[in-house]
Amino acid sequence: AQRVTQPEKLLSVFKGAPVELKCNYSYSGSPELFWYVQYSRQRLQLLLRHISRESIKGFTADLNKGETSFHLKKPFAQEEDSAMYYCALSPNQAGTALIFGKGTTLSVSS
Amino acid sequence: EPEVTQTPSHQVTQMGQEVILRCVPISNHLYFYWYRQILGQKVEFLVSFYNNEISEKSEIFDDQFSVERPDGSNFTLKIRSTKLEDSAMYFCASRLQGAQYNEQFFGPGTRLTVL
Repeated sequence: AQRVTQPEKLLSVFKGAPVELKCNYSYSGSPELFWYVQYSRQRLQLLLRHISRESIKGFTADLNKGETSFHLKKPFAQEEDSAMYYCALSPNQAGTALIFGKGTTLSVSS
Repeated sequence: EPEVTQTPSHQVTQMGQEVILRCVPISNHLYFYWYRQILGQKVEFLVSFYNNEISEKSEIFDDQFSVERPDGSNFTLKIRSTKLEDSAMYFCASRLQGAQYNEQFFGPGTRLTVL
């Protein structure tokens, strides 16, 4: 079965601390993995996709196929990073549905 | 930058009533989706739509639900006879045909409250 697991419902850190939001997935093929972010009262926005191996707003995420993980990391958290973060999986076929994890609320305080 | 829009932002209805949620996808996108999020739960896929027909649907998308693209811009989700458990945030999303990745762009959502 296709599944995305985000084990932490809430992650609270202080400004400047490192952040790691965990995501594990279950899928038999080669999926696309994404991180979406939802700031307060805003829409879901794509933050990262594993294919492009980019860094957005200081965040990075590496796909580890052996551990079936796609953890989101940032070395120094900022208060404006406070938001809901969703890991999502897409089977590698055009137009298919995204499968979301339950999300992790990141709270960064000063 | 073009965005997916949804109306209304909040819909309150009585149980058993029909509701239509509206979405305007990004203009050159050809894949359309509906997702829902019950309060405190994860975002769940309902249905995808391409080339004027449903391409994929989940178990949630039963006979009470239907989708339509009535014109060149709107994409609607109809719930024929609402139930209390249909109360949720409904998100529309769209995707560009031929995009290298399955990157979907989401609307702001419609909060449906069934009383």
